[in-house]
Amino acid sequence: DGGITQSPKYLFRKEGQNVTLSCEQNLNHDAMYWYRQDPGQGLRLIYYSQIVNDFQKGDIAEGYSVSREKKESFPLTVTSAQKNPTAFYLCASSITRPGELFFGEGSRLTVL
Amino acid sequence: AQSVTQPDIHITVSEGASLELRCNYSYGATPYLFWYVQSPGQGLQLLLKYFSGDTLVQGIKGFEAEFKRSQSSFNLRKPSVHWSDAAEYFCAVGANQAGTALIFGKGTTLSVSS
Repeated sequence: DGGITQSPKYLFRKEGQNVTLSCEQNLNHDAMYWYRQDPGQGLRLIYYSQIVNDFQKGDIAEGYSVSREKKESFPLTVTSAQKNPTAFYLCASSITRPGELFFGEGSRLTVL
Repeated sequence: AQSVTQPDIHITVSEGASLELRCNYSYGATPYLFWYVQSPGQGLQLLLKYFSGDTLVQGIKGFEAEFKRSQSSFNLRKPSVHWSDAAEYFCAVGANQAGTALIFGKGTTLSVSS
């Protein structure tokens, strides 16, 4: 079945450590996105990528990094510079023209 | 500034009663509008979308929404709510333009009472 796979579903990290969240899609979509979700805050855009080897910062990119070496993959690294990383992270993809986003099941990161 | 406002943080509706969730947007270009639903700990599922044409759009699970350009609104409705509709609902806006992403509202949590 086509879809978006995020892993891990739950992740615990100590302060000062970097952590990478995986996002893989087999929908053959060009565009991929990372959103952060906090209670009562909705979804806020971290990074997005319209094509391979290209990506743009969203509204809250500080403390995060991404890469897009393959069309299918868009990993997100939460660095130690992110001051409040505990959150639910959602990956999505779409055709290049903004339209319907297909979401993964999310990854919940907790910093201890 | 581009934004989406969902005025109601939490709504409780009796099972079988009608539902309306409000959404207002501020967007410079012609908007594409969406409603998504999220169950706890899960990703988001698209309920319906508006790109152009008929301003009343039908979606999955018996939901519909009406685009009103003059009011910058895109309210979600359902004639009769089922207990399984309890979830969080997000309104989103985007543009038919490469290099943009969807902007989401803060969400409305729907509770259904028996």
